[in-house]
Amino acid sequence: AQKITQTQPGMFVQEKEAVTLDCTYDTSDPSYGLFWYKQPSSGEMIFLIYQGSYDQQNATEGRYSLNFQKARKSANLVISASQLGDSAMYFCAMREEDRGSTLGRLYFGRGTQLTVWP
Amino acid sequence: DTEVTQTPKHLVMGMTNKKSLKCEQHMGHRAMYWYKQKAKKPPELMFVYSYEKLSINESVPSRFSPECPNSSLLNLHLHALQPEDSALYLCASSQDRAGAYNEQFFGPGTRLTVL
Repeated sequence: AQKITQTQPGMFVQEKEAVTLDCTYDTSDPSYGLFWYKQPSSGEMIFLIYQGSYDQQNATEGRYSLNFQKARKSANLVISASQLGDSAMYFCAMREEDRGSTLGRLYFGRGTQLTVWP
Repeated sequence: DTEVTQTPKHLVMGMTNKKSLKCEQHMGHRAMYWYKQKAKKPPELMFVYSYEKLSINESVPSRFSPECPNSSLLNLHLHALQPEDSALYLCASSQDRAGAYNEQFFGPGTRLTVL
């Protein structure tokens, strides 16, 4: 089974509007972390936001917020007030706490291509 | 300095060439990673180094040979590659510690084309 599922291959949003990018995950580890990365066409993976499985509140970073619904195993990214520069591929990723190792593999979803139009 | 640098940015090589990709970080991270990414796909983990020792090899063909000369540098030596190896190669680093929060910092990548 896939660890991370992103069901939206592409999303379109008008400038200044808000958009939600979906992410669901699958794990039996009680301790895990969820990440969102942005990848512009230049290729660099840019870290946006993190949510820990034990965090009580949803994570926020500027215009980015993470809608964390633990029971549903979803971690949707909300981008408020979209800008043209937000056009990029967005990846949801998960790291499980591996008690046998300090190295936790990062599992990526397939990504969502976001296009912001004027 | 929260930057991971990679050189070269672009590389074109023939199937008989030998080339190397370089990655450098000065954040004191002791875990470093190589990923391969095809267009419109997520990154695929290739190798992980921890304290300059190879910890994970995701069954990568031997024509890819990683090397970690010191805690700041990571190389990927390429030899006898195939056209299907053309991809974006991303390097990343992180602290090597327990816990789910362990952000990986990515470099800008090297776009490799094999002719």
